[in-house]
Parts: sequence; C-alpha cells; structure tokens
Amino acid sequence: DIQMTQSPSSLSASIGDRVTITCRASQGIGNYLAWYQQRPGKVPKLLIYAASTLQSGVPSRFSGSGSGTDFTLTISSLQPEDVATYYCQKYNSAPLIFGPGTTVDL
Amino acid sequence: RLQESGPGLVRPSETLSLTCTVSNGPISTYFWTWIRQPPGKGLEWIGHINHSGRTAYNPSLRGRLTISIDNSKNQFSLKLTSVTATDTAVYYCARVGFSYDSGSYFPQQVDSWGEGTLVTVSS
Repeated sequence: DIQMTQSPSSLSASIGDRVTITCRASQGIGNYLAWYQQRPGKVPKLLIYAASTLQSGVPSRFSGSGSGTDFTLTISSLQPEDVATYYCQKYNSAPLIFGPGTTVDL
Repeated sequence: RLQESGPGLVRPSETLSLTCTVSNGPISTYFWTWIRQPPGKGLEWIGHINHSGRTAYNPSLRGRLTISIDNSKNQFSLKLTSVTATDTAVYYCARVGFSYDSGSYFPQQVDSWGEGTLVTVSS
C-alpha cells in the first residue's frame, strides 16, 4: 500500500507568516489528494481537494499545489483561527489513508 | 447532516457497533465512510461503502470489520469484532464525494462529517 508522510510534524509561526506544509506519497497518486483542517477539539474540515481546488467557503489564504508524489499546503498569511492540525489524504484508490498530520501553533 | 449513535463503552473481545443516520438528503448517492481518531492521535481511515453496498476496508482491520448500508432507513453501520483497548477512539461517520468514469463510481474527498462519538474499550 501507498504510504503518506507529512513534514514538518509541527511548527510554530507568527500572525501574518507564510506557512508551508508538505505531504508526500510513496507512489504517484496523480492529483487525488485532499487537505483537512482540524482545530483543537473540533471536527475535521475539508480545505482543498484535487490537490489545488479550494473548497467552497474556505479563505483564499489557503492554497494547494502538487501532483504525483509531492504536495504542498500553503497558508499565505497565518491567522489566529488557523491554529490547528492539518492532514492530507489520498483518494486515488483504497485504502484512502491520511497523512500523520502537521500541527500549526503560534 | 450525519449523526453517529451506539454504545460509548465496549468490553474487550466484544463487538463495537455504530450507526450513522444521514438526514437532509438521500443516502442513495455518494460514498459513506467511517474514520476514527484515538485520543491525542491522528485520523485513521476505517473503510467506506456506496449505495449499492460496494465496500473497501483498511487492510489493518480486514477480518474484523463490516460496513453495511440500509438505504430505506438512510443509515449505514460499522461493526468491529474482537475489540481491544487500541480500538478506543472517536469514531466519525462522513460523506465522501464521488466521480463517475467508464460506468464506475470512484470515491473522492470527504466533504461532510458527523460530530464523532467516543468509544472506549474497557472492562
């Protein structure tokens, strides 16, 4: 099965900083990748699908890029409400596994 | 809207059973999935089912896991047998988008989640 990794596992940043999170698949998955945000104590929320398509209602400071094996989630200007753990998930084929997560704090 | 229901406490070696009720729309479209999150840990995909009963399971749980669907009740269910303390987690049910190609449906991203229910395995 394909394995998903994320880096870094955690990071600290300041308000207004540009934040970049990387997700890597052990084999090519095309653009079949989603990003989710899970705020502390909350339900996960879809941010981006098809590697770069912003889900409706998600602020434009979030963006995604990549294809094949390497993907990036970027927050262009970090806001206090962006403190959360971010997960990637592949869905090219089952199992639709998640990455281990990246925790972003201030 | 999705709502999980089932016991919050299960004894070791017994069967964990959860049901997800889908409201505000028919279950006879989309894929439907179970995802769990052990306390303080990441998300784990358990498996999914579509309206015709086609399933896919996490290989690490295969042999203990059954996901089923009842279109008439707008519900889908999870059964996990022979549970241990490592099965303690918040269990989420969720809706999965789909694509259609060459006569087949394919699951896509998870676009709607239930609130989750904590299931503790303990004697």
